[in-house]
Amino acid sequence: ETGVTQTPRHLVMGMTNKKSLKCEQHLGHNAMYWYKQSAKKPLELMFVYNFKEQTENNSVPSRFSPECPNSSHLFLHLHTLQPEDSALYLCASSPTTGLKTLHFGNGTRLTVT
Amino acid sequence: DQQVKQNSPSLSVQEGRISILNCDYTNSMFDYFLWYKKYPAEGPTFLISISSIKDKNEDGRFTVFLNKSAKHLSLHIVPSQPGDSAVYFCAASDQQGGSEKLVFGKGTKLTVNP
Repeated sequence: ETGVTQTPRHLVMGMTNKKSLKCEQHLGHNAMYWYKQSAKKPLELMFVYNFKEQTENNSVPSRFSPECPNSSHLFLHLHTLQPEDSALYLCASSPTTGLKTLHFGNGTRLTVT
Repeated sequence: DQQVKQNSPSLSVQEGRISILNCDYTNSMFDYFLWYKKYPAEGPTFLISISSIKDKNEDGRFTVFLNKSAKHLSLHIVPSQPGDSAVYFCAASDQQGGSEKLVFGKGTKLTVNP
């Protein structure tokens, strides 16, 4: 399997639930990212990891908690979300943060009820 | 305030004609620009980029033009094909910043009619 794989593709959760989004890249990249795409809004960067270390947290609420156990895997743990958190969550990777061509996964469509 | 603006949410063109997608930016520090293409149910894929030392970059049917004085760039697709129907995102950064500094526009949905 190649590229950036995200699971699940769709997720519906209540505001009191705890769930996790998973991202795996098979490209040998060292940098991984979480982006949020809300309706009629630009893609918003959430977190950046470089060689497993978090290098960017774009003022994301603490109900979103990222985890990067190694350069190939990235998780986004979700708890006590709000309906306005419903969006498409995209994972991306790149060889390093110095390069600007990102490789995106297909995203997880999250609905918070 | 949006630093990268794609003012046309949608664009419809006939197959074989030229598609022109526009993007404006406000940050004069931006000097590297990219276009990404996104099909439904898929993630964005990199299409073409341009550095501010150039005013044009061409790759097959896709050409990006940059007008630094106007802080404007455009993506030309010619001839347009039905398979080009997708959402196109403009993104910008400065050379000093890495990919974590990419700023995206809202996207323009292109529909190419057969």
